[in-house]
Amino acid sequence: EAGVTQFPSHSVIEKGQTVTLRCDPISGHDNLYWYRRVMGKEIKFLLHFVKESKQDESGMPNNRFLAERTGGTYSTLKVQPAELEDSGVYFCASSHKIGTGAKNIQYFGAGTRLSVL
Amino acid sequence: SQQGEEDPQALSIQEGENATMNCSYKTSINNLQWYRQNSGRGLVHLILIRSNEREKHSGRLRVTLDTSKKSSSLLITASRAADTASYFCASAWTDKLIFGTGTRLQVFP
Repeated sequence: EAGVTQFPSHSVIEKGQTVTLRCDPISGHDNLYWYRRVMGKEIKFLLHFVKESKQDESGMPNNRFLAERTGGTYSTLKVQPAELEDSGVYFCASSHKIGTGAKNIQYFGAGTRLSVL
Repeated sequence: SQQGEEDPQALSIQEGENATMNCSYKTSINNLQWYRQNSGRGLVHLILIRSNEREKHSGRLRVTLDTSKKSSSLLITASRAADTASYFCASAWTDKLIFGTGTRLQVFP
């Protein structure tokens, strides 16, 4: 079974440009999450999809970030326009089961390293 | 900030020694999880402990949880060079994970 895959693995862009990150979750997983680690700081939650719906987008930093999950399969995270402080590693994760108190093991991709120059 | 903290930030030991990492979190939890990240790779789930559990074992891993102190520890026994990685605790109340700052573990052969 394939794991969570992310593309590209590394992206270098200039300030003001647009970048789109893609995440393919494990097949059959309804839950998809985006996290990011900026400047070696903590890994922070960005948002959570259940199928194609945004369940929680409380971690999205501002309206320059747009996440979609059309058809409830893969997801994209677009940054437009990119700023210097957006540099970091963007992780995607997926899980099958949802619900408080229940096991919620999230399976992570290798991440996309974004460098904004 | 809701993020947790881990200590030490970095730990260097010899193969065969035990490694202990501590984690503190700030919010109520349903469970607490530990993840490992090898350089350039994604996070790999190691172990999950529920809020009503105090200790859990998995192979060479031992996790404790003290909800009164909002703290957890991860013990790796008989460490190996392959254990070299960054280790993160992650607390969960809802479905999103709140990560600690991480501990970089270096195990020398």
